[in-house]
Order: sequence, then structure tokens, then C-alpha cells
Amino acid sequence: NAGVTQTPKFQVLKTGQSMTLQCAQDMNHEYMSWYRQDPGMGLRLIHYSVGAGITDQGEVPNGYNVSRSTTEDFPLRLLSAAPSQTSVYFCASRVQGATTEAFFGQGTRLTVV
Amino acid sequence: KNQVEQSPQSLIILEGKNCTLQCNYTVSPFSNLRWYKQDTGRGPVSLTIMTFSENTKSNGRYTATLDADTKQSSLHITASQLSDSASYICVVSGAKAAGNKLTFGGGTRVLVKP
Repeated sequence: NAGVTQTPKFQVLKTGQSMTLQCAQDMNHEYMSWYRQDPGMGLRLIHYSVGAGITDQGEVPNGYNVSRSTTEDFPLRLLSAAPSQTSVYFCASRVQGATTEAFFGQGTRLTVV
Repeated sequence: KNQVEQSPQSLIILEGKNCTLQCNYTVSPFSNLRWYKQDTGRGPVSLTIMTFSENTKSNGRYTATLDADTKQSSLHITASQLSDSASYICVVSGAKAAGNKLTFGGGTRVLVKP
């Protein structure tokens, strides 16, 4: 098992550009989510999905879109990058349930200039 | 508002010594509390998961405690090693009615020196 794989690991964008952060998991987990991590702050939920075809907004969804066409993949799209979106992004997956362990990808460090 | 506060923000300890990290939360309704270890440049990795009925749980040299009445948790690291240098994140999961969403603390950065 590769676990949760995120690509790219690093990315620099210009303000206004769009891009897609990729996330794939091979553990057949129903629940997938995207977080951003900023210095001094806890991870904040952007969007999440409880299964293929189902997505919902988290705490900080503005400026981001997601889709879930398969169980394995959960891409995060930045529509028009802004400097405020400079952050480290983590994708996570887990089996549905209250006490199930969440597995995180290695993160994507995004800089918007 | 659901919150998770951790203290201290950072600490330095000598190799072989013990240390304790604190976590206070206001998440309600509560389901479980987790501790994660995050190495620099990596994603968080789970150390322990505790429900409200569990007072203590160990994972090797890591021991977590939970007091659901006072909404406090601690993570004790015994006989620290250089590889323990990392950020430790306290995470609280809301109940199913709240979508089992995870609320993250800001983390405690631990540096173990030889």
C-alpha cells in the first residue's frame, strides 16, 4: 500500500493562476478531506467527502473546489490563486467511523506570489 | 466555537529526559481525542486515539491521558530520543451528529538535544 499520495510536493503560482492539487489513496477509504496548515495554527478543514459523488464544505472552503468521481481520488482545485492561499496543504483519508485512524499525505507546499 | 489549545508552544529537552505536553479543548459533542506526531516536512502520524471512557493509552514511550470531565489531555514522552524531535498535535473529534469532524490544536514543537 502506498497510503495517501499527494502531488506535487512543492508549487509556486502567480496570483490569478489556477491549479489542481492531486490526492490519491489505495486503502479503499470512504472519507477523504483536505486541510491547510498555516504557521502557529492548527490544520483547518477545507473540503471533505464521505464517498464517491459526495462532497461538502469545511471551515475554510472559499477559493477552492473539489470533486470525488472515484473512491481513490480527491483533487483540490484553486480557481484563482491569491497570496492568502500560500500554505501547506494536506490530504487525509480514513474509514468512516468515529474512532478510525486518519492517514495523511506528505503535504503540498504552495506559494502564491 | 470548538477549540483545542495546546501548551507549551515549544520546548527543548535533553535526550533521555521526560516531558509532558498539555491539551485543553472545548469541542462538544465530544467523541474522541487523538495525538499526532508531525515530523518537519511530513504529514501527521497517529500516536493514540482515546474515547471519553479511556483515561490513559500508551504507544511505546508515549502515554496519553484524558480527563473528559475537565476536558484536558496530556501526552507524556518517556526517556526522550533525538527522533522525538517533532511537532505534537492534539486533535478532538466531534460526535457523529457533528460529522465526526476533527478540530486541530496548534501543536507543541519539541526539540530533543543530545
